[in-house]
Formats: sequence, structure tokens, C-alpha cells
Amino acid sequence: SQTIHQWPATLVQPVGSPLSLECTVEGTSNPNLYWYRQAAGRGLQLLFYSVGIGQISSEVPQNLSASRPQDRQFILSSKKLLLSDSGFYLCAWSNGDNSPLHFGNGTRLTVT
Amino acid sequence: QKEVEQNSGPLSVPEGAIASLNCTYSDRGSQSFFWYRQYSGKSPELIMFIYSNGDKEDGRFTAQLNKASQYVSLLIRDSQPSDSATYLCAVSGQAGTALIFGKGTTLSVSS
Repeated sequence: SQTIHQWPATLVQPVGSPLSLECTVEGTSNPNLYWYRQAAGRGLQLLFYSVGIGQISSEVPQNLSASRPQDRQFILSSKKLLLSDSGFYLCAWSNGDNSPLHFGNGTRLTVT
Repeated sequence: QKEVEQNSGPLSVPEGAIASLNCTYSDRGSQSFFWYRQYSGKSPELIMFIYSNGDKEDGRFTAQLNKASQYVSLLIRDSQPSDSATYLCAVSGQAGTALIFGKGTTLSVSS
């Protein structure tokens, strides 16, 4: 069966510090991969999605970036965090455009 | 801009009642429709998906789709306090794009 791992579960970082969140999927090949952010009390905001290695689509222009160095690995990064980057970051995978998304457990990021 | 609309709630129902959650979408080309449940502080989990007009039942849950009206709903029969959560509706977009999520409806089931 397929599983998705996302870490860390919680993170507290000062403003201006770098960020690296990692997500890996097991049990499937060539998945679509996604990064979402959910601010407190808000809906899901799509940040990035990827249909293959090295293929990244950005939905929101901001100080975040994503990379997919391997088929089942997706990394979210920032060089300098802003207060507004605080939120619940969710990685997800799917088998295609019309397939359901399956979410990881999320990372709760607090920028202080 | 493709949109998915849900009433934010809260929707309050007594234990044992039927909870009805509704969602409308703007893209007539959407083909796949999903319902997710999200408990506070947790990630969304998939509970239902539907691709064709009509009803689809899974245990206490029934998803209903009406493409002509661009409307999808989720019925929860015999609601339990453990069903208290935020329910997210998601709709497929154009080819090569991600699912579009609504902002969710908060359901509260009182015992």
C-alpha cells in the first residue's frame, strides 16, 4: 500500500532563517506531488505541484521554492522566512489529475 | 478563476440526525469530485469521491452529484459526535492542474 511521510511534525523558526521541509511517498511510481499551506482558520492554498522529476509548477509567487530531486521526494524550501509563512504545511500525492489526493500528516510551522 | 464554494457553517445537528453538506463549483468541465474530513489540527482525509451524476453510498455517507446544476453534496446519516470536523469539497480542474478545494464547512454534532 502507498504511504506518505512528511517531517518534521512541528517547527519553530525565527524570521529570516532558512526552511527545508521534506516529503517522501512509498508504494507508487511517478506520483503527482503537491505542497499546500493552511493558515489558521483558512482554506487550503496550493503552493506547488509536480508531475515528474524536475517539473515544478508554482501557484503563488512568494519566497518559497520547491524541488523534486527524486521520483517520490518533494522538498519545500525558503532562504529567508517571513512571519506570514507561519501555517500548516501539507504534502500530498495523487496518481493523476482526476485522482484523489492523499495527504501527509503535515508540518506546523511557526515563524517568530 | 475556478471556484468551489461551501458554506463555512458551523452546521449544528443533534446526534442521530442527518447532516447535509453542500458545495457548488464554477468549472463545467470538472470531472471528479471529492469530500475530505479534517479534524482540528490534523490533515485532511478522503472520505468519498464521485465521478458520475447521481448518488454514491458508502456506509453512513452518501455523495450526490448534479453536473447540470454544478452541485455536489455529502449526506451523513445517523450523525455521531465523532463526525464533528471540517468537511472540504474538492473538484478537479483542467488537465495538468491540481484539485480545487473549497474553504470547508464546519460540522458540530451534539450528543
